[in-house]
Amino acid sequence: DAGVIQSPRHEVTEMGQEVTLRCKPISGHNSLFWYRQTMMRGLELLIYFNNNVPIDDSGMPEDRFSAKMPNASFSTLKIQPSEPRDSAVYFCASSRGQSSYNSPLHFGNGTRLTVT
Amino acid sequence: GENVEQHPSTLSVQEGDSAVIKCTYSDSASNYFPWYKQELGKRPQLIIDIRSNVGEKKDQRIAVTLNKTAKHFSLHITETQPEDSAVYFCAAPDTGANSKLTFGKGITLSVRP
Repeated sequence: DAGVIQSPRHEVTEMGQEVTLRCKPISGHNSLFWYRQTMMRGLELLIYFNNNVPIDDSGMPEDRFSAKMPNASFSTLKIQPSEPRDSAVYFCASSRGQSSYNSPLHFGNGTRLTVT
Repeated sequence: GENVEQHPSTLSVQEGDSAVIKCTYSDSASNYFPWYKQELGKRPQLIIDIRSNVGEKKDQRIAVTLNKTAKHFSLHITETQPEDSAVYFCAAPDTGANSKLTFGKGITLSVRP
């Protein structure tokens, strides 16, 4: 089991550029979550999918953020255009259950995004 | 929605002492309470969890206790070691239609050698 795989590990970009973060969940897990972590706000849930369908995107900050899950083994989080306040660590997590409280969350190693 | 709070925000203990970290939640229907540990620069990892039908669960040096009446649960670490130094997050589910975990802000535990 390779765990949840995220890429890139680090991303530095200039304000206004498009950023795409990628995630491969653990095989067999049918729920996928995107979190953002900052010192000020802690771990915030942005969006989660169940069986590739977005269930709750109420945490997505604004229209600049979008997420897709075209199949069970791949998801993307896109920010367009990026702004300095988007700088954070973005974690992807997956779980076997239908929701995050039926089974444990397995986090990826995160993507550290810096927008200058 | 669920509101999860952790106190204190930092805790420092001497190696070998016990550490207790408390978490409160607001949704009385919540029934699952995990604790995650995040070492510096690494990902959060589940260390222990408890469901509402039990009051306590142990796993070697760590334990979690749950008080449903008071709506709080606590992480207990005995015989602390320097490698226990990390940020610890509690979480509780929002029991609405689209159930999801809400995390606390985290507590930084420092174990002094």
